[in-house]
Amino acid sequence: EPEVTQTPSHQVTQMGQEVILRCVPISNHLYFYWYRQILGQKVEFLVSFYNNEISEKSEIFDDQFSVERPDGSNFTLKIRSTKLEDSAMYFCASSEWASGASYEQYFGPGTRLTVT
Amino acid sequence: AQTVTQSQPEMSVQEAETVTLSCTYDTSESDYYLFWYKQPPSRQMILVIRQEAYKQQNATENRFSVNFQKAAKSFSLKISDSQLGDAAMYFCAYRSRNYGGSQGNLIFGKGTKLSVKP
Repeated sequence: EPEVTQTPSHQVTQMGQEVILRCVPISNHLYFYWYRQILGQKVEFLVSFYNNEISEKSEIFDDQFSVERPDGSNFTLKIRSTKLEDSAMYFCASSEWASGASYEQYFGPGTRLTVT
Repeated sequence: AQTVTQSQPEMSVQEAETVTLSCTYDTSESDYYLFWYKQPPSRQMILVIRQEAYKQQNATENRFSVNFQKAAKSFSLKISDSQLGDAAMYFCAYRSRNYGGSQGNLIFGKGTKLSVKP
């Protein structure tokens, strides 16, 4: 069964460093998402991406964040200058698109980001 | 803005017994989707069950069923014949039904940690 993959599984970085989290969505999916989950907190939406541009973003997704689909398979989340509060589990998700239909969002296993 | 509330941080159930996880939500929209996601210790979230708000019939998937009360904005998950593998974090989630064609983001509750005792 196709699945969303994410690399790395765990990333440790120093405050102020740039990190890139990578995701490979399911191949025929058109919508891509990033969510994050701070330890013990709820899962929060960051951004959605469709047709090579941001579709929606939350207030969390400030200028320090960017997303890119550099080729036909990868979907990346970049944090330019990490802060301690960016430590969280970051989940990538993808879904098919059809107007008005409830297509499931498939989640990857997550990347645990630790900022020291 | 829509919100999702799960008032039970932790629940426990005996193997083979039935447990109900609560979820309430707030929205001014009339058409939307509701989901229950399971997050096992491996941390990959898996969709358990989905409910379309325009459907009055409660969704059922094998041992999992929901009690959807639209007027009360309540969406509880019932797990029958609980198994050890059901132990996980369960998240209730809401999504707008957007006829404009865009896929809305999921809004999650804080989750309920379910333990299953042998």
